[in-house]
Amino acid sequence: AQSVTQPDIHITVSEGASLELRCNYSYGATPYLFWYVQSPGQGLQLLLKYFSGDTLVQGIKGFEAEFKRSQSSFNLRKPSVHWSDAAEYFCAVGVGVANFGNEKLTFGTGTRLTIIP
Amino acid sequence: GAGVSQSPSNKVTEKGKDVELRCDPISGHTALYWYRQRLGQGLEFLIYFQGNSAPDKSGLPSDRFSAERTGESVSTLTIQRTQQEDSAVYLCASSLRDRGYSYEQYFGPGTRLTVT
Repeated sequence: AQSVTQPDIHITVSEGASLELRCNYSYGATPYLFWYVQSPGQGLQLLLKYFSGDTLVQGIKGFEAEFKRSQSSFNLRKPSVHWSDAAEYFCAVGVGVANFGNEKLTFGTGTRLTIIP
Repeated sequence: GAGVSQSPSNKVTEKGKDVELRCDPISGHTALYWYRQRLGQGLEFLIYFQGNSAPDKSGLPSDRFSAERTGESVSTLTIQRTQQEDSAVYLCASSLRDRGYSYEQYFGPGTRLTVT
């Protein structure tokens, strides 16, 4: 079964600083990988996804993530954070096309991002 | 277009009572998922519906939990004889499955369940 590890429970960065949130996954085949953001009182919003192709994917709100198969990682990055980026970030893995009918996502436990002025 | 909607947004119930949570998926989305999010934790998969196929119930934590979906529309998650450990936010998501590929899941705002 697939699994996701987000090793950082809480990260604090200064506004304008760069950000990297770590995500490691475990899955035997090519995974579908996602980053979601959950702002206080809001539902989960998809930031970006990787299915295949270019390993550097661009998302909304200036975020990007890089799929590294050799490291089983899919880290989320942003060059300059804004105060509005404060939220909970979840990495998720879905099974690939070889396993139709089993598309539930497995989520990490999340990383809470705090932005300081 | 309209997103995934869930009702009620908040539910407080006494231990031992039954509760029903409702999810309206995005129109045209064939797949529907229920997740549970306990305080400070990630999302825990509960159940998955895809069209007329038998649902994947592998995530339901006990036989007190059940869910139904009529066709490709509304779904109801029922928790019988609620316990305090059932307190959580219950999230519903839907996605479009086309030619065997599932696209990203769109989440509703959730129902916050508190069992007293």
